[in-house]
Amino acid sequence: GIQVEQSPPDLILQEGANSTLRCNFSDSVNNLQWFHQNPWGQLINLFYIPSGTKQNGRLSATTVATERYSLLYISSSQTTDSGVYFCAVGGLDSNYQLIWGAGTKLIIKP
Amino acid sequence: EAGVAQSPRYKIIEKRQSVAFWCNPISGHATLYWYQQILGQGPKLLIQFQNNGVVDDSQLPKDRFSAERLKGVDSTLKIQPAKLEDSAVYLCASSLDRASEQYFGPGTRLTVT
Repeated sequence: GIQVEQSPPDLILQEGANSTLRCNFSDSVNNLQWFHQNPWGQLINLFYIPSGTKQNGRLSATTVATERYSLLYISSSQTTDSGVYFCAVGGLDSNYQLIWGAGTKLIIKP
Repeated sequence: EAGVAQSPRYKIIEKRQSVAFWCNPISGHATLYWYQQILGQGPKLLIQFQNNGVVDDSQLPKDRFSAERLKGVDSTLKIQPAKLEDSAVYLCASSLDRASEQYFGPGTRLTVT
């Protein structure tokens, strides 16, 4: 089945710093989503990005489907960006179920 | 557009008791999912519905868990009897179809004592 690896597992930054989170996947997918799980447990959709580049405010994401990776960029970090960032992918090989990475735990210090 | 609604938000029960969770998906979404998330882990799919039919329930502990989506809209997930290891957040999600973006509700945090 599809394997998903996220890196780094943990990241501690000062407020205002930029960061790049990576998601590698082992097979072709037609669904790739980035989520932010805040400290209260809510899963928030960030991007639906099986390919290409998208931007939303301080966040942007790029998926290079042919090389099987996706990157999430966070610029000018704020303390509210703290939480766990999950990458989840799905495709024919997973019967379209989302296969989840282990997440990147991000802590932004004031 | 209203998001995925879930209730209750929190529930504390004793082991061997029963509990039920309710989910109302985004209007028009044919596919509905129930996930279990243990603290520190990613969500684990329990069951997936397409309209009112079950697509996948391979990871649902059927001896104690049941779920239904009778009219292809709302869904309920039940646990009977609960065990200590069922303590988790139960997340409901919906999507237009099986291959589309999934949207998650706020979850129900279950504590079994």
